[in-house]
Amino acid sequence: DAGVIQSPRHEVTEMGQEVTLRCKPISGHNSLFWYRQTMMRGLELLIYFNNNVPIDDSGMPEDRFSAKMPNASFSTLKIQPSEPRDSAVYFCASSKPPGSPDTQYFGPGTRLTVL
Amino acid sequence: GEDVEQSLFLSVREGDSSVINCTYTDSSSTYLYWYKQEPGAGLQLLTYIFSNMDMKQDQRLTVLLNKKDKHLSLRIADTQTGDSAIYFCAESTGGYQKVTFGTGTKLQVIP
Repeated sequence: DAGVIQSPRHEVTEMGQEVTLRCKPISGHNSLFWYRQTMMRGLELLIYFNNNVPIDDSGMPEDRFSAKMPNASFSTLKIQPSEPRDSAVYFCASSKPPGSPDTQYFGPGTRLTVL
Repeated sequence: GEDVEQSLFLSVREGDSSVINCTYTDSSSTYLYWYKQEPGAGLQLLTYIFSNMDMKQDQRLTVLLNKKDKHLSLRIADTQTGDSAIYFCAESTGGYQKVTFGTGTKLQVIP
């Protein structure tokens, strides 16, 4: 299994530009999570989906952030417009169906730098 | 809401044992986890313990759970330089599979 796939691995953009991060979860996993990690704030849960439906988006910082999961094998996190304070590593994770430990499998992350 | 706390930093000498501690607030936690994050990588599950267990051992790793005090610890025996990483404690109550992560403890192993 290829694991959780994220693209791009690195993104450098200028303030005001739109940024789209992509994630392909592990096949058969029905939950998908987006996290943001910074030195100051640690690991923050932004949003998660069950069966492609957003369950909890209370961690999304503001309206500039949006996430979609059009099907079971793809999700996007979009920032528009981007700001320097959005610079962070963004992780996508997926997990197995209910009934098992809620083990999350993390992708390698996307390191975003907003200049 | 749920809260998981850890100390930020731990330094040990190679060959010594490391003990990383964690406290959590949600008494309905079903599973408690330890994840490891190596530089430039995502988090990876090390081990987990079910809430009705007191201890779990897996090779060099020993997890102790004190449910009364809501305290979880991870002991790494014979710590190696390859164990240098950030260790995250986490908990979940099952159901919707949301996992609450702690702040992470950076373990530095001195040769």
